[in-house]
Amino acid sequence: DTGVSQNPRHKITKRGQNVTFRCDPISEHNRLYWYRQTLGQGPEFLTYFQNEAQLEKSRLLSDRFSAERPKGSFSTLEIQRTEQGDSAMYLCASSHRQTYNEQFFGPGTRLTVL
Amino acid sequence: AQTVTQSQPEMSVQEAETVTLSCTYDTSENNYYLFWYKQPPSRQMILVIRQEAYKQQNATENRFSVNFQKAAKSFSLKISDSQLGDTAMYFCALSAGNMLTFGGGTRLMVKP
Repeated sequence: DTGVSQNPRHKITKRGQNVTFRCDPISEHNRLYWYRQTLGQGPEFLTYFQNEAQLEKSRLLSDRFSAERPKGSFSTLEIQRTEQGDSAMYLCASSHRQTYNEQFFGPGTRLTVL
Repeated sequence: AQTVTQSQPEMSVQEAETVTLSCTYDTSENNYYLFWYKQPPSRQMILVIRQEAYKQQNATENRFSVNFQKAAKSFSLKISDSQLGDTAMYFCALSAGNMLTFGGGTRLMVKP
């Protein structure tokens, strides 16, 4: 399968701990996006990369959140000092430079903060 | 700012029947794209159909078609010959640049 992959699929952590998620986009997709989806809601945009450059960040992305894409391939999303309100599904998507509006999503990482 | 509104939280349809899901949006951009995504229970988001705003012709993909009314900022999805596998959350989404703005979703249940 050459789709977008995300690891881990599930993460349970205690409040105050740090967590890191990984996303591997479809190969040759130069754009990579992070979204957050809470239960029963539509996804909300967090940030996106074009190659290794982080070009846009939502105001939802507080100081505790940081995302990287160091070599323009996979990306990581880290949440520091997790809070219960961080519990959500974190979705990654990627798109090709020629059809950048068409985003393909990964299966997501479900985070539960106890 | 862009907004997408789906006014039907839940819908149901009998297998083999036709159902229409509603979506309205707002954007100040002239060039944008509209999408319908399907998210089956505990499974990942799948692109169902896309529509470029500059195209007047409504997009179709097999059993899925849209009714795009640009002046009214309306973008509904019609599913013909509904199948049990169509049971899912359906999200309408708008892209006028770099990110997708999603509606709140419509939960569709296809009944046998």
